[in-house]
Order: sequence, then structure tokens, then C-alpha cells
Amino acid sequence: DQQVKQNSPSLSVQEGRISILNCDYTNSMFDYFLWYKKYPAEGPTFLISISSIKDKNEDGRFTVFLNKSAKHLSLHIVPSQPGDSAVYFCAASANGVSGGGADGLTFGKGTHLIIQP
Amino acid sequence: ETGVTQSPTHLIKTRGQQVTLRCSSQSGHNTVSWYQQALGQGPQFIFQYYREEENGRGNFPPRFSGLQFPNYSSELNVNALELDDSALYLCASSPDRTDTQYFGPGTRLTVL
Repeated sequence: DQQVKQNSPSLSVQEGRISILNCDYTNSMFDYFLWYKKYPAEGPTFLISISSIKDKNEDGRFTVFLNKSAKHLSLHIVPSQPGDSAVYFCAASANGVSGGGADGLTFGKGTHLIIQP
Repeated sequence: ETGVTQSPTHLIKTRGQQVTLRCSSQSGHNTVSWYQQALGQGPQFIFQYYREEENGRGNFPPRFSGLQFPNYSSELNVNALELDDSALYLCASSPDRTDTQYFGPGTRLTVL
């Protein structure tokens, strides 16, 4: 049973527009959430995170929104650039820490973002 | 500053064999976590090592084992390989058990 779900396997967005990637979770114990970006032949790269005590976190072009009541988070990228084309993974931790601790991180299956010129 | 490195890059084994994968953690990091990423799936947590001791384990059988050395590098050992073990194996290091994990490029294991 998937505890972290990314229901869109792929998303195509025009360069300069906003990209919105979505993630849903089922485990109420999750209290820290992260987004990783992965290029082919590379490992996932940490992008941005959010604690459950917040509902928004911003870092440059990247903003993550958390709706705890809906068990939903989203990553907004504005404006989208060609270098943003990658697979984006949503990950969750039940230990209130970004590293997942003894339970590790639980990942979704990823969304392949394609930025069209 | 050198990031997380893994060796080998690719590996082909046959069913029933044993394999050892290696990971060098980022400088200053004392924690290493291992993940298995099957095709079309997200990474799945195998276990975490903190200061040479296993700190936590995911839902993987005992034939998946690991080690962490005094320099905080790590090995993942898989015995009695099965076809379903074919996957990308990712190592991640972090400054401490609770900190953000930084991933290496992975080792692609194919079991025939």
C-alpha cells in the first residue's frame, strides 16, 4: 500500500510558466516532507522541505505548500526553466526530521517534468 | 568538497550469487542510508547506519545486510540474489541521523 502518492507520472509545461507538482500521503504520522529532483544517471538531489508545523516554504523559484487536513502537498516552480526538466520525487518522514531517522524516508513514484521551449 | 560516491556503477550477477556494493559518504557525514529503486518506483528504504551501528531497517529480508566503517563509508551486501533484486541501489549520507540526506549516483544491479 503506497503511503506517498504522486498520481501524475508526467507533466509538460511551457518554459516561463508555472509548474505544479502534486503529492498525497495517507500516513497521519508523517510530519516532515521533502522534494528531490533526479536527472538521468544521477542520484536524487535535495530541493526543498517543509515541516508539518508550517503550510508554506519558499526558496527562490521553488515553493512547497502543505495542506495537512487534505494530506496533500504541492511544489510550485516559477518561472519554469529548461534545466528543471527532471523526475521529481516527493518524500515523507515520520520522525519530524528531514533525514527520516531510523525509519528512513518514504518516497512516491515520481513525476517526470518536461519543460517545453 | 567531494559528494557521495558509489561503486561499481553497473553490475551483472546471476540468481543465487552474492554481491557487495560500496558507498563513500560525504566529508563530515556520519550517517549512511541505503535505498532500492526498482524500475518505475520511488526509492525504498533498506537500512541506515549511524557511527558503525545499524540505526533502523525497512521491510527487507535478512539477506540484505550492511556495514559501516570507521571512516563512515559503507557496504551493502545481498546474498542469494533473486531476479527481483534487479534495481538501482542508492546510498545517501547525512551529517547526522536526523539531517537531510544527500544521495550518490547509485549502482545499477542486474540479476539474470
